[in-house]
Amino acid sequence: SQTIHQWPATLVQPVGSPLSLECTVEGTSNPNLYWYRQAAGRGLQLLFYSVGIGQISSEVPQNLSASRPQDRQFILSSKKLLLSDSGFYLCAWSVGGLTEAFFGQGTRLTVV
Amino acid sequence: EDQVTQSPEALRLQEGESSSLNCSYTVSGLRGLFWYRQDPGKGPEFLFTLYSAGEEKEKERLKATLTKKESFLHITAPKPEDSATYLCAVPSYSGGGADGLTFGKGTHLIIQP
Repeated sequence: SQTIHQWPATLVQPVGSPLSLECTVEGTSNPNLYWYRQAAGRGLQLLFYSVGIGQISSEVPQNLSASRPQDRQFILSSKKLLLSDSGFYLCAWSVGGLTEAFFGQGTRLTVV
Repeated sequence: EDQVTQSPEALRLQEGESSSLNCSYTVSGLRGLFWYRQDPGKGPEFLFTLYSAGEEKEKERLKATLTKKESFLHITAPKPEDSATYLCAVPSYSGGGADGLTFGKGTHLIIQP
């Protein structure tokens, strides 16, 4: 069966520090991978998606970047965090673009 | 631009009191609608996929239905463990490929014993 791992579960970082969140998927090949952010009162917002190694599409301009160095690995990064980067970050995968997505357990990021 | 609106924002029910959650959508062409359950501090858990008007899916006390403009999540005789936020979503499609999901803001459901 397929599983998705996302870590860390919680993170407190100072403003201006770098960020690296990692997500890996097991039990499937060539998944579509996604990063979402969930802010209170705003719902889930798609940040990045990837249909293959090295292929990244960004949905909104922001202080974040994503990379997919391996088929089942997706990384969310920032060089310098802002207070506004605080939120609940979720990684997800799907078999195709029009099928249901399966989510990791999320990372609660607090920038102080 | 695809839009998904859920109502009510919050719903408090007594145990055993059945009700329905609404998800209305505006899309250029429906390519599926998904329901998720999210517990506090956790990632969304997939519940159902609906692809065409008239389709219904059931799982324990939950039943999802779909029309051309909206979907309903019916909860029959709910229990306290059904308390969660329920999210619906549709695929975002740019023409070059599907680009993730557009979510509603969710309905926060509380079932009181």
